[in-house]
Amino acid sequence: SQTIHQWPATLVQPVGSPLSLECTVEGTSNPNLYWYRQAAGRGLQLLFYSIGIDQISSEVPQNLSASRPQDRQFILSSKKLLLSDSGFYLCAWSGGANEQFFGPGTRLTVL
Amino acid sequence: QKEVEQNSGPLSVPEGAIASLNCTYSDRVSQSFFWYRQYSGKSPELIMSIYSNGDKEDGRFTAQLNKASQYVSLLIRDSQPSDSATYLCAVITSGSRLTFGEGTQLTVNP
Repeated sequence: SQTIHQWPATLVQPVGSPLSLECTVEGTSNPNLYWYRQAAGRGLQLLFYSIGIDQISSEVPQNLSASRPQDRQFILSSKKLLLSDSGFYLCAWSGGANEQFFGPGTRLTVL
Repeated sequence: QKEVEQNSGPLSVPEGAIASLNCTYSDRVSQSFFWYRQYSGKSPELIMSIYSNGDKEDGRFTAQLNKASQYVSLLIRDSQPSDSATYLCAVITSGSRLTFGEGTQLTVNP
């Protein structure tokens, strides 16, 4: 069966510091991968999606970037965090069907 | 107009009752519809998907889709306190993007 991992689970970072969040998927090949952000009490905002290695599409212009160096690895990065980057970051994967399955998430607080 | 709209709630029902959660969408060509459950502090969990008009039942959950009215709903029969969560409606919109509503918070009272 497929499993999706994210780490770290929680993170507290100062404004202006860099960020790297990692997501890996097990048990499937060539998945579509997604990064979402959920602000407190709000819906999910799609940030990036990827259909293959080094193929990244950005949905929202911002100070975040994403990379997919391996088939089942998806990384979300920032060079300098802003206060507004705080939120719950969720990685998701999908296979042939349109169903998306989420990882456990990373809760980021920028102070 | 939002692409996917849900009543934010909170919706409160007594244990054993039927909870009815509603969702409307704006893109007429949408073909795929999903319901996710999200417990407080946790990630969303897919509980139902529906692609054709009509009802789809899975245990205590029934998803209903009416493409003519651009309406999808989720019924939870025999509601339990463990069903208390936020329920997110999601729709594949143009560009094959999965668009989420902001969720309906459900509380089931013992």
